[in-house]
Amino acid sequence: AQTVTQSQPEMSVQEAETVTLSCTYDTSESDYYLFWYKQPPSRQMILVIRQEAYKQQNATENRFSVNFQKAAKSFSLKISDSQLGDAAMYFCAYRSSFAGNNRKLIWGLGTSLAVNP
Amino acid sequence: DAGVTQSPTHLIKTRGQQVTLRCSPISGHKSVSWYQQVLGQGPQFIFQYYEKEERGRGNFPDRFSARQFPNYSSELNVNALLLGDSALYLCASSSRTGGETQYFGPGTRLLVL
Repeated sequence: AQTVTQSQPEMSVQEAETVTLSCTYDTSESDYYLFWYKQPPSRQMILVIRQEAYKQQNATENRFSVNFQKAAKSFSLKISDSQLGDAAMYFCAYRSSFAGNNRKLIWGLGTSLAVNP
Repeated sequence: DAGVTQSPTHLIKTRGQQVTLRCSPISGHKSVSWYQQVLGQGPQFIFQYYEKEERGRGNFPDRFSARQFPNYSSELNVNALLLGDSALYLCASSSRTGGETQYFGPGTRLLVL
């Protein structure tokens, strides 16, 4: 069974600085998707970024980028120029590409990010 | 375009009661998934429906059931509520043409007393 591990329960960053959140996963599959979701205090889950395992190029969305290391099964999120609105819980999630696994998301426990002014 | 909507936003029930949660997917999305998120944890998968058929079920008791309607909206039912069912229930919709990325609604906060 696949698992997702986020080893940093809490992180903090100064406004305008850069922070990296870590995520590792375990799978025997070769084709899958990885996601970072943000959950602010309102608790709505918001997609931050997505990475297809077959793509070697790291995904980027504005100030958010990932470092995807397939062999190491590592998927870290880098937030550049941190803003107060980035303060939230960040979840790393895995999804199989195979239909037999019903494409459910498997989640880590999350990292709480505080942004200090 | 409207995002995923869920109703109600908050709900308070007592042990033993039954509850129905509702979800409307993004227009054009045919798949709906349900997750339970207990405070301080990541979401846990409950059900996935595609084209009105159940495509997956998580490790939840039979007290949990769901269905999807012809308009792709969905209901999650929980019978014989327990205190441990208190959680945020998240609904997500996805489209195969969109790579099946799941987009979430605001959730329903259920408190069982």
